[in-house]
Amino acid sequence: TQLLEQSPQFLSIQEGENLTVYCNSSSVFSSLQWYRQEPGEGPVLLVTVVTGGEVKKLKRLTFQFGDARKDSSLHITAAQPGDTGLYLCAAYDTGTASKLTFGTGTRLQVTL
Amino acid sequence: DADVTQTPRNRITKTGKRIMLECSQTKGHDRMYWYRQDPGLGLRLIYYSFDVKDINKGEISDGYSVSRQAQAKFSLSLESAIPNQTALYFCATSDTPGDLYGYTFGSGTRLTVV
Repeated sequence: TQLLEQSPQFLSIQEGENLTVYCNSSSVFSSLQWYRQEPGEGPVLLVTVVTGGEVKKLKRLTFQFGDARKDSSLHITAAQPGDTGLYLCAAYDTGTASKLTFGTGTRLQVTL
Repeated sequence: DADVTQTPRNRITKTGKRIMLECSQTKGHDRMYWYRQDPGLGLRLIYYSFDVKDINKGEISDGYSVSRQAQAKFSLSLESAIPNQTALYFCATSDTPGDLYGYTFGSGTRLTVV
């Protein structure tokens, strides 16, 4: 089982600030996904990255997959209170790509 | 109706009791999963099933059992609940291996064992 470490664990920022969340492993991923989870709900998929070096944008969120496919980052520009939540990275186990392993999560709070 | 429905949403039970958490889905997906979420530990896989006749243990299956009654239904049982099984439990579904569309999660069951 590959281990996915996320940093930071907690982040509290003010509206309008920028932030970056990291997801790292010693393993190579076949693909990596980012989810956001709001209180009282299950995680919801934000993006899937597949190719090393790939960059995807979702409005103010920018996702990057490392060249070696061992790490990923999520950058939020001009954070808003609606961005508050738990951000989880997840990767399929190598080989069979049969099930997801989730990172430990980054809890983000954006205040006015 | 939600694509993945979990019941109950909240449950308080006593140590030693047997409890069942239920999950049903309308996605038509073959693959179903049970995860447990604890603060600082992310989501950990308990059991998963790739079709009705397939059941597989995840990384933390001890103390749990599952039943796949139909393609749409996957239940998780705690045979004799203990306090360290207090957690948030999620059911999820997916379509194909390495599915780029990710997992669809239910809203979770918050279980407290006292």
